Amino acid sequence: DQQVKQNSPSLSVQEGRISILNCDYTNSMFDYFLWYKKYPAEGPTFLISISSIKDKNEDGRFTVFLNKSAKHLSLHIVPSQPGDSAVYFCAASGLGNKLVFGAGTILRVKS
Amino acid sequence: EPEVTQTPSHQVTQMGQEVILRCVPISNHLYFYWYRQILGQKVEFLVSFYNNEISEKSEIFDDQFSVERPDGSNFTLKIRSTKLEDSAMYFCASRPNRVNGELFFGEGSRLTVL
Repeated sequence: DQQVKQNSPSLSVQEGRISILNCDYTNSMFDYFLWYKKYPAEGPTFLISISSIKDKNEDGRFTVFLNKSAKHLSLHIVPSQPGDSAVYFCAASGLGNKLVFGAGTILRVKS
Repeated sequence: EPEVTQTPSHQVTQMGQEVILRCVPISNHLYFYWYRQILGQKVEFLVSFYNNEISEKSEIFDDQFSVERPDGSNFTLKIRSTKLEDSAMYFCASRPNRVNGELFFGEGSRLTVL
């Protein structure tokens, strides 16, 4: 059951550049999407979210874009910082109240 | 800032033993969840709990698993007879209401079944 897919297992970016993390979903009933950041041995930490009625949401260095017709969302981090190095999970929810997570993308920001 | 707390941080047990993982959700939250992450894999939904009953559960959450909110503050996950494949990080999460919003996760409990 891969309703939420993150096809890039890892991404390496130079400090100061843009990081773009991608996520695709298959369930058209999803109407709310979130990005979580996770460090080893810690729980996921909420970063940013977007409702299906919007196509963009911005919070500081983080922007999430939603393309409903393509069932695709992306997280942009500008500028990337070494402290952004972590695993990033895309998650989605629909009629039920649970979140469905993708497999995660490891982001490494090199200084 | 309020947070979800979980105990123990790490538990090692023998196969076939019972394990109870404990969580204290954020105090004004109404919806509670357990997720797990097997090493290197995705974070998987186990169960959601509201108004003292299970509201949804996954196929993973079979008869060996149970949840309870015994005293209005703790939220526990019990595994009756552990198997090797139950080894994972178990995350508790809570949310204030049903309207779309983020789940607040605890730091996790690592379960190692030998």
